[in-house]
Amino acid sequence: QKEVEQNSGPLSVPEGAIASLNCTYSDRGSQSFFWYRQYSGKSPELIMSIYSNGDKEDGRFTAQLNKASQYVSLLIRDSQPSDSATYLCAVNTNTGNQFYFGTGTSLTVIP
Amino acid sequence: SAVISQKPSRDICQRGTSLTIQCQVDSQVTMMFWYRQQPGQSLTLIATANQGSEATYESGFVIDKFPISRPNLTFSTLTVSNMSPEDSSIYLCSVAQARTDTQYFGPGTRLTVL
Repeated sequence: QKEVEQNSGPLSVPEGAIASLNCTYSDRGSQSFFWYRQYSGKSPELIMSIYSNGDKEDGRFTAQLNKASQYVSLLIRDSQPSDSATYLCAVNTNTGNQFYFGTGTSLTVIP
Repeated sequence: SAVISQKPSRDICQRGTSLTIQCQVDSQVTMMFWYRQQPGQSLTLIATANQGSEATYESGFVIDKFPISRPNLTFSTLTVSNMSPEDSSIYLCSVAQARTDTQYFGPGTRLTVL
């Protein structure tokens, strides 16, 4: 089992809709969770970090964490074509003190 | 967050040669990491660059192939040695103030080996 799993997509949503990106992780002791956005040909850039159960909002982005279900998600409200990118979930695990990335979900926002 | 630069931004190299990639940060950072991202794939950690000591390599990566230096808290290099086409990839450095802390990435080096 991989440490971090994401649906690779591609995920397509119309402009203005809510995009929902999901991520599961295997290490129950994980403490830190991150979402990165990566445009084609560019390096990953941090969107949000979340450490506690519940929701964390930042502008159009909301991260949701459920440690009991070992699940973290990212919601993008009012999706824009400029949101089209690959979204990487990253988890910092306690075991081995390691930072693991998922394989990423490709999102396309259709004008 | 820190400003991170990498040199070169891209290169095309011949099989059997070596390339050294530089990563420079505008402020002192505790942790520096080197990743590889092969086409269409996610990030794979190569090693943690330790200041003043040998790098810590992940499974599948060895010092002879990927020697790393970190002479101070703002600079590191990764060398890709005796390159083959399978080494064609994007190489990324990242920085963090602690191993468990948020990582920030440099712009990457796109390497093509012919």
